[in-house]
Amino acid sequence: KQEVTQIPAALSVPEGENLVLNCSFTDSAIYNLQWFRQDPGKGLTSLLLIQSSQREQTSGRLNASLDKSSGRSTLYIAASQPGDSATYLCAVIGVGGSEKLVFGKGTKLTVNP
Amino acid sequence: NAGVMQNPRHLVRRRGQEARLRCSPVKGHSHVYWYRQLPEEGLKFMVYLQKENIIDESGMPKERFSAEFPKEGPSILRIQQVVRGDSAAYFCASSRSLQGANNQPQHFGDGTRLSIL
Repeated sequence: KQEVTQIPAALSVPEGENLVLNCSFTDSAIYNLQWFRQDPGKGLTSLLLIQSSQREQTSGRLNASLDKSSGRSTLYIAASQPGDSATYLCAVIGVGGSEKLVFGKGTKLTVNP
Repeated sequence: NAGVMQNPRHLVRRRGQEARLRCSPVKGHSHVYWYRQLPEEGLKFMVYLQKENIIDESGMPKERFSAEFPKEGPSILRIQQVVRGDSAAYFCASSRSLQGANNQPQHFGDGTRLSIL
């Protein structure tokens, strides 16, 4: 059974700092991994989707890496801003199963001005 | 282009009543997914549907919960005889094709917050 863990559960940083969020998964047989952002009381906004054959994806100040064999992904945020404050979720879809995303519990990020 | 639309945004029910949650997928998307987010818990998969068919309902409680995605109209998640433990945020997602095999990402709505009195 696939399990996804995100560490840390919460992170508080000063504005301008570069930071890394971690995601690990127990079964490396995945199609892809997706990072989301969730603001309080809102839905999920997809940030990046990394295919299993890829090592990383970049979008603006965000860079996500994937090491499938070790079951790890990181989301790097450069030059953090107060507007980046949100909960960040990672999720995977396993091979040979359903189309269901398996989520971690998220990292709650606070960027202080 | 409208995203995934869910309504109502907030729903209050008393124990024993029925709750109906609606989801209109992104135009052109024929795959719909429902997830539940309990307080202090991560999102959990409930059910995956394509038009008129339930593909995977392995995450649905065996009793009181049902889902449909008719040929015309929105997808409906129905909870009968609600109990306090059903209080949660329910999210719908849609995709154009398979996220797994075809790397087509699921797009999420803003959710319905269900509160049971």
